[in-house]
Amino acid sequence: EVQLVESGGGLVQPGGSLTLSCEASGFAVTSTYMIWVRQTPGRGLECLSIIYIDGNTDYADSVKGRFTISRDDSENTVFLQLNSLRAADTAIYYCARDLFLSPAYWGQGTLVTVSS
Amino acid sequence: DVVMTQSPLSLPVTLGQPASISCRSSQSLVHSDGNTYLNWFHQRPGQSPRRLIYKVSNRDSGVPDRFSGSGSATDFTLRISWVEAEDVGLYYCMQGTHWPQTFGQGTKVEIK
Repeated sequence: EVQLVESGGGLVQPGGSLTLSCEASGFAVTSTYMIWVRQTPGRGLECLSIIYIDGNTDYADSVKGRFTISRDDSENTVFLQLNSLRAADTAIYYCARDLFLSPAYWGQGTLVTVSS
Repeated sequence: DVVMTQSPLSLPVTLGQPASISCRSSQSLVHSDGNTYLNWFHQRPGQSPRRLIYKVSNRDSGVPDRFSGSGSATDFTLRISWVEAEDVGLYYCMQGTHWPQTFGQGTKVEIK
């Protein structure tokens, strides 16, 4: 059974950093694309970053240069490093297994709140 | 980025009656590999989105066959043949052809 469990969210001050983790089970994260998506009431669902099977990555312009996606094959975990956080980054962050160029399996999400 | 526009944004429906949601993209969603990566998701309050349809018309495992998707290039439709109470919530179209993948603004389906 495919399962994704995110962790690492919380309250952080503007300009601060956070690392989100997404532990996968039921499949190998190296065998598929993995994607991070966030959701806010104002901007809806937004795809942020993707890591491909070969390890290459892509980012949305809104987070390019501030967020970094990576994975640990031995832990079967994908990470999203969030730097230079702004109030506008407050959101629920989901990781997902990408199949047919769309998020097919989603985690439960982790809430990131950026506030002083 | 490709803009996905859904209509209507609110859809009151009667149980047992059909419903449909339209989605238009600002660019063609035909990929260089020949596939069209248009997807539909359903989200209930407090839950993560769940994919219903991928590549325009393919139902995900466990999705009832009263859900169907159609369309091509820039115009797509999600149809529910008859609405059941569990179908309430938000529905999103989403394109995967162009990075970044982008979602529509969502259509809220509620029972009249």
